[in-house]
Formats: sequence, C-alpha cells, structure tokens
Amino acid sequence: GQQLNQSPQSMFIQEGEDVSMNCTSSSIFNTWLWYKQEPGEGPVLLIALYKAGELTSNGRLTAQFGITRKDSFLNISASIPSDVGIYFCAGSSADAGGTSYGKLTFGQGTILTVHP
Amino acid sequence: NAGVMQNPRHLVRRRGQEARLRCSPMKGHSHVYWYRQLPEEGLKFMVYLQKENIIDESGMPKERFSAEFPKEGPSILRIQQVVRGDSAAYFCASSSNSNTEAFFGQGTRLTVV
Repeated sequence: GQQLNQSPQSMFIQEGEDVSMNCTSSSIFNTWLWYKQEPGEGPVLLIALYKAGELTSNGRLTAQFGITRKDSFLNISASIPSDVGIYFCAGSSADAGGTSYGKLTFGQGTILTVHP
Repeated sequence: NAGVMQNPRHLVRRRGQEARLRCSPMKGHSHVYWYRQLPEEGLKFMVYLQKENIIDESGMPKERFSAEFPKEGPSILRIQQVVRGDSAAYFCASSSNSNTEAFFGQGTRLTVV
C-alpha cells in the first residue's frame, strides 16, 4: 500500500528558531495536508495543498506541494512554545473519480519540542 | 457548532469482551471515517461510511471489527473479542461530502487488559 516517510522523527529547538520538516512518498498523491496533534487530542488541520508546486501559508506556517506530487514540506518560522506537538503529513488520492478527501495516508509524525 | 464528538474518551476492556466506540459527526456532515493510531505511529485508515452505507472498508481487519452509520444516531465501531493488540486510539472524522476535508474528533483510547 501507499506509505509516507516523514522526517525528522523529532526536533528539539529553541524558541524563535525556524523549523522545517518534510514528507516523501513512493506514489503520487493529489492532495497533501499537514496536521498538528497535541497530547490526548485529535489531529487538527493546519494547511491543505491541492496543486503540484503550490506554496501556501497560514500565519507562521508555510507548506509546499512538490512538483512530482510525491513530496511536501512544512516550515514553521519563529517558533513559540505553543508550537509543541506532533506534526503529521497526510496524502489523499481524492480525485474526480470519487476517492474521498477524507481517506488519508498519514506519515509517522515529527515530534516538535520548543525550549523557551 | 459542535465538532466531531466521540465517546467514550477512554475505554478499558478485558480480553474477550466487546468494545463499542461511538462517533457523532459535525452537524450537517453525512460522511464518516474511522482511523486507528497505535502508540508513536501515524493514523491508519480503517473505514469510510456514508449514511447507512459502507463506502470503503479496505483498512478494516477481516475479523472481529465492524462499523455502521445508521440513518439515525451516531456511527459505531464495534470490536468483538478484543485482544491486547487492539489497544490504541481510535479517531473518527467527518465531512459534508467526499470533496471536502474531514475534521477529526478527540478520539477514544481503548485499553485491553
């Protein structure tokens, strides 16, 4: 089946630093999404990318959908303590053929720790 | 507007018992997805349902697991004769149709003792 490889597995950074994480896949996805999960909670959608090459920002977060449709990265600028959590990439094969956007393949996650 | 509601939040079952996990989608959403998350792993798709229909169950284990989304009431994920390996967090997500993103609930943490 489809698999996503997410790296790094964990990051320990100082408050104010920028963060970058990425995801690669052996197969093509039509949509890439980035989620954040905090302890005891469900994933919360941060950014959704729909077109190859698309670069999208949401506040201090920026994500790009790779041209090959097999990779994506997420950058967080000027990190703050509340950025702590697990960040997941997810791919969807949703298309006009009817595959749903809600059926996702998730990466293994990047655990982010921010030291004040 | 309440989000996706899952209950119970925590569930403890002895080996061999049945576990029933409930999910009430967001208001106006008729598409429901169930995912399982093992410790320190990403979420794995299990099943996609639309009111009264199973659309895609490609991620469901062949035995002991079943899901339903009746015309009235919440979606139910049922695990019969639970084993220790079933211990995980189970998340439900809902969407208004197949062409929009799904929103996740807070999950049910199942522990099998």
